[in-house]
Amino acid sequence: QKEVEQNSGPLSVPEGAIASLNCTYSDRGSQSFFWYRQYSGKSPELIMSIYSNGDKEDGRFTAQLNKASQYVSLLIRDSQPSDSATYLCAVYPEGSGYSTLTFGKGTMLLVSP
Amino acid sequence: DAGVTQSPTHLIKTRGQQVTLRCSPKSGHDTVSWYQQALGQGPQFIFQYYEEEERQRGNFPDRFSGHQFPNYSSELNVNALLLGDSALYLCASSLVWANTEAFFGQGTRLTVV
Repeated sequence: QKEVEQNSGPLSVPEGAIASLNCTYSDRGSQSFFWYRQYSGKSPELIMSIYSNGDKEDGRFTAQLNKASQYVSLLIRDSQPSDSATYLCAVYPEGSGYSTLTFGKGTMLLVSP
Repeated sequence: DAGVTQSPTHLIKTRGQQVTLRCSPKSGHDTVSWYQQALGQGPQFIFQYYEEEERQRGNFPDRFSGHQFPNYSSELNVNALLLGDSALYLCASSLVWANTEAFFGQGTRLTVV
């Protein structure tokens, strides 16, 4: 069973702080990694994708990938109350052929004003 | 450019009934995947359609079936509804074999009473 693990949270940070969200995956051959943001009652919205080791920055978001450790993270700088949501980590496992994402259960982030 | 669209947005059905949910993928995408998301959980893969055929299937009973049309749109059918089928049903569109971004529709909230 190929798995994606996330702390369920909630992760609470004050406004303006850096929020750090973490994810581990079991399939060492995985090649593509994604972070989705999901507001309560809404559908997941893609915010970051990362395919190679290292950091990828997009505005206030930075995704970090370490394939040797099977670890991917999302940093949110200058956190805002509007960032309060559940963040889902998703992975394409190796050999999935017809591409199907495996999701973690998500980490709830709460940003307090 | 229209994104992924799903209909209906909300639905209430009685146990034992049948339901059909619909999805139109993002322009340029050829693959539709369906997910079920229970409260507090990550999306669980139901099945994927490409070239009008079911290409992969998750751990869901045969009560769950689907179809893809020549214009790439898709339907999800659930027969003999159970209370446990109450969930948010998500459609994601992507490009086959690409292992790149998948985009979600707004989802259908199904309540079985």
